[in-house]
Amino acid sequence: RKEVEQDPGPFNVPEGATVAFNCTYSNSASQSFFWYRQDCRKEPKLLMSVYSSGNEDGRFTAQLNRASQYISLLIRDSKLSDSATYLCVVSRQTGANNLFFGTGTRLTVIP
Amino acid sequence: EPEVTQTPSHQVTQMGQEVILRCVPISNHLYFYWYRQILGQKVEFLVSFYNNEISEKSEIFDDQFSVERPDGSNFTLKIRSTKLEDSAMYFCASSSYMNTEAFFGQGTRLTVV
Repeated sequence: RKEVEQDPGPFNVPEGATVAFNCTYSNSASQSFFWYRQDCRKEPKLLMSVYSSGNEDGRFTAQLNRASQYISLLIRDSKLSDSATYLCVVSRQTGANNLFFGTGTRLTVIP
Repeated sequence: EPEVTQTPSHQVTQMGQEVILRCVPISNHLYFYWYRQILGQKVEFLVSFYNNEISEKSEIFDDQFSVERPDGSNFTLKIRSTKLEDSAMYFCASSSYMNTEAFFGQGTRLTVV
């Protein structure tokens, strides 16, 4: 089973739509969780960290369900500039020093 | 805003040649990483480095690869004898603490011909 699994998409949504991405991880000892975005042929950029209580940053909301080993990202009021690949990233247990990336979910926001 | 910088942005090399990819991590960060991304595939962990030694490495990071922090600012990845399958984008990243968010450089696109 892969460390991190995401629906690759693509998701094509109109401007203003709400879209949700899901991600599951296999290692129950995983400690830290993040969403990154990656534009075509660019580096991954941190979008937000994901906390157990859930967290929100403007139009973006992230949720973590440790019992189900499930992470989500909700984007409200989609903008054209949100078009990118969204990467679910998980850090292993305490003492490990690497990040595991999902394959990413491709989002295209259509005018 | 502090950032991770990588040079060169693009490197073309012949199979069997050695390449060195260079990175300057964010200055107050303590943990350094190399990742690679083959075109169309996911970002893959290669190696992490802390306190002047490798802390973890993946199966990809075999004897052909090595890392070094030659001075207080640079962090390098060396591939001794490149293969065609080493063609990829190589990303350097750094973080303040273990298991926290990592910040990535813009990458070096390595093409082995």
